[in-house]
Parts: sequence; C-alpha cells; structure tokens
Amino acid sequence: KAGVTQTPRYLIKTRGQQVTLSCSPISGHRSVSWYQQTPGQGLQFLFEYFSETQRNKGNFPGRFSGRQFSNSRSEMNVSTLELGDSALYLCASQTGTRDNEQFFGPGTRLTVL
Amino acid sequence: DAKTTQPTSMDCAEGRAANLPCNHSTISGNEYVYWYRQIHSQGPQYIIHGLKNNETNEMASLIITEDRKSSTLILPHATLRDTAVYYCIVRNSGNTPLVFGKGTRLSVIA
Repeated sequence: KAGVTQTPRYLIKTRGQQVTLSCSPISGHRSVSWYQQTPGQGLQFLFEYFSETQRNKGNFPGRFSGRQFSNSRSEMNVSTLELGDSALYLCASQTGTRDNEQFFGPGTRLTVL
Repeated sequence: DAKTTQPTSMDCAEGRAANLPCNHSTISGNEYVYWYRQIHSQGPQYIIHGLKNNETNEMASLIITEDRKSSTLILPHATLRDTAVYYCIVRNSGNTPLVFGKGTRLSVIA
C-alpha cells in the first residue's frame, strides 16, 4: 500500500498571502488529521476530518481551515499568513475506527517571509 | 497538555537494548499508551501501543506496569537508525487526537 502523501513538500509564501496544502491518505482510510510542528510549540493538533466532516478541532484561529473530499483526500488552508505560521505541517491518516494508529505523511515545510 | 512525562534525552550504545521510560500516572481505565518516533525532519512513525498487557511487534516491546501508571518502550538491539525523538502518548480511543509532549531524544552511539 502506498503511504500518506503530502503536496507540496516545500513552500515559501509572504505575509498576508494564503496557502493550501494537500494530503492523500492511505487507501481505505477515512480519517485525516492535520498537525503543525514548530520548534517552540512542538507538534500540535489542528483538526481531523472523517467522512467529509470535521470530527475534532484543536485550538487554532479561524485562519486555519480544512476540508475533506469524498475520496478522503484532504486540504488545509491558511489565510492571511503570519510569520509564526512557518512550520512543518503534517497529515496523518487512519481507518477511523477505535483503537487504531495514525500514519503520518512526510509533511509540508511552509516558510512565511 | 500532554499527560505523560519522559526524560528529555538518553544515550544508548549501538547493539544494546534501549529502554525508554514514560510516566502516565493520571491515565484512566480506557486510555491506551501509544509510542511514536520522529526521525529528523520526517513525519512521526507509529511504533506500538497497548492498554494493559505487554505488547511486542517487529520494532519494539511495550511493558506497562500493573497499575498502568508507567511504561517502558524497549528497542532490543538499537542501531544508529533508531536515533530519533520518541513520544509516549496517552489516548482514550482511536477517534481522539494525538497529544504530543516533548518526547525523549534518543541518541544511539557507535
């Protein structure tokens, strides 16, 4: 089985712009979670989508949003980028049922200038 | 906030067993213990998880104390490629997010 894929792998944006990141989960997985990793805050949960519905949400401002498509692929969007949004954005997929592990993609490295 | 406490860093000689401790004294009855690791600049990798009983897979063993307040991840024969940050996570079901703490930075030394 192919693993979780994320595109693009690297991205450079300027303050005020918006960005869309994409994640393709493992085939058959219906849940996709997004995490942000920064040196200062570590790995923090953004949100999770299951069957096209947001199931869990972390403590991030409304500038961070996401969606999931019927094929379970997911996108996250960050509007009005700030310097502090520079981070590694990680996507993880799982089957969506109880007691199961999340499999992470390689991440998208976003740099905001 | 993370519900686990781990040492900041540990060293292990190549070929020896690496024993990574984790304290989760406030764990509740329906919460699992998960271990992930993250090799530099890569996405976290699932290692193992357990509820009450000890678990073993091809990567590692997980030993959970009888009172479930602590656990130990054992890498039986550490290699240089096991150098990574190891995260111990308490999670009450597969439908809840992973809450990462700071983890333990394991350095395997030749």
